[in-house]
Amino acid sequence: AQKITQTQPGMFVQEKEAVTLDCTYDTSDQSYGLFWYKQPSSGEMIFLIYQGSYDEQNATEGRYSLNFQKARKSANLVISASQLGDSAMYFCAMRGGTSYGKLTFGQGTILTVHP
Amino acid sequence: KAGVTQTPRYLIKTRGQQVTLSCSPISGHRSVSWYQQTPGQGLQFLFEYFSETQRNKGNFPGRFSGRQFSNSRSEMNVSTLELGDSALYLCASSISGYDNEQFFGPGTRLTVL
Repeated sequence: AQKITQTQPGMFVQEKEAVTLDCTYDTSDQSYGLFWYKQPSSGEMIFLIYQGSYDEQNATEGRYSLNFQKARKSANLVISASQLGDSAMYFCAMRGGTSYGKLTFGQGTILTVHP
Repeated sequence: KAGVTQTPRYLIKTRGQQVTLSCSPISGHRSVSWYQQTPGQGLQFLFEYFSETQRNKGNFPGRFSGRQFSNSRSEMNVSTLELGDSALYLCASSISGYDNEQFFGPGTRLTVL
């Protein structure tokens, strides 16, 4: 079984600053994938970034980077140069080794970007 | 390339009725997963279909069922609706179900009165 923990219910950041959203996970699988999604108030889930358990380098996608620390079982999302449009709910999720099509999600972190 | 589409976007039903939701995946994607999102339980996996076969199933009662057609479009059905079934139902598609990306549709917001 997989478990995702996001301990920050809400985070605030000033526009143009960087912010880190925390995510820890638990699994007994050797092979797994970690995902981050953004969910604006409209409800649609927007895929941001992916990290495979065997990837040696941290994933980056534009202003998003994933700080993957395998030994600590953490997969924090770093958003650089925050923009007002980044205000949304952010979910960390994982897919286990044999869990076809199944993502296990954390409870989410609401990010508010202040001008 | 068109994204994942879900119909209808909004639905209001009464207790005891049944409902069918539809999901059309991205062209070329054969895996479709369904999730239920509620304020109390968060995002929970319902089931996943690949090539018309259910490969994975979450912990939901038998009132929740689904199917997938040969064109990869998927439907989920909820029978004998309960108030607690009110939720945002999201479907997601990927090429194989074990990809680096899983793309979500806009969701169907179901309200049970």
